[in-house]
Amino acid sequence: DAGVIQSPRHEVTEMGQEVTLRCKPISGHNSLFWYRQTMMRGLELLIYFNNNVPIDDSGMPEDRFSAKMPNASFSTLKIQPSEPRDSAVYFCASSPTSFGQFFGPGTRLTVL
Amino acid sequence: GENVEQHPSTLSVQEGDSAVIKCTYSDSASNYFPWYKQELGKRPQLIIDIRSNVGEKKDQRIAVTLNKTAKHFSLHITETQPEDSAVYFCAASRFSGNTPLVFGKGTRLSVIA
Repeated sequence: DAGVIQSPRHEVTEMGQEVTLRCKPISGHNSLFWYRQTMMRGLELLIYFNNNVPIDDSGMPEDRFSAKMPNASFSTLKIQPSEPRDSAVYFCASSPTSFGQFFGPGTRLTVL
Repeated sequence: GENVEQHPSTLSVQEGDSAVIKCTYSDSASNYFPWYKQELGKRPQLIIDIRSNVGEKKDQRIAVTLNKTAKHFSLHITETQPEDSAVYFCAASRFSGNTPLVFGKGTRLSVIA
């Protein structure tokens, strides 16, 4: 099992540019979560999906952030336009119904 | 919503000693409490979890205890080794798999050889 796959692993971009982060959950897992980790705020939920349906996006900072899950094996998190305060590590995690969440390796985003 | 407090924020122990990390939660409906270990630059990794119908769970050198009445749970690591050095996060949620986790702020554990 390859585990949760995220790409890119590192992203450096300039303020105002569009950023797209990608995630492939573990096969058979029906829940997918996007978390953001910063020194100041720790690990915080952005949005999660059950069976490809967005359930709670209240953690999405503002309209610049959007997420999609077009099928059970792929999700994207998009930031447009990006700002320096969006710099963080973005983790995707997946889970089966009755077990724990497994994290991907993360995407380290730097917005200059 | 749920709020998870974690203490201490840093912890240093001598190799071979025990380490204890404590967390409290606010939502009495929470019933799933996992612990994650995160090494520098790596992903959080699930190391042990406990559900509300169990008071204690053990896996080799690590154990977790839960007191639902007091709404606190703890991670115990015995016979610590240098490779136990990492940041440990506690978390809580209402269900085990398909609801979001609310994390504590983390404890940086240093095991001194």
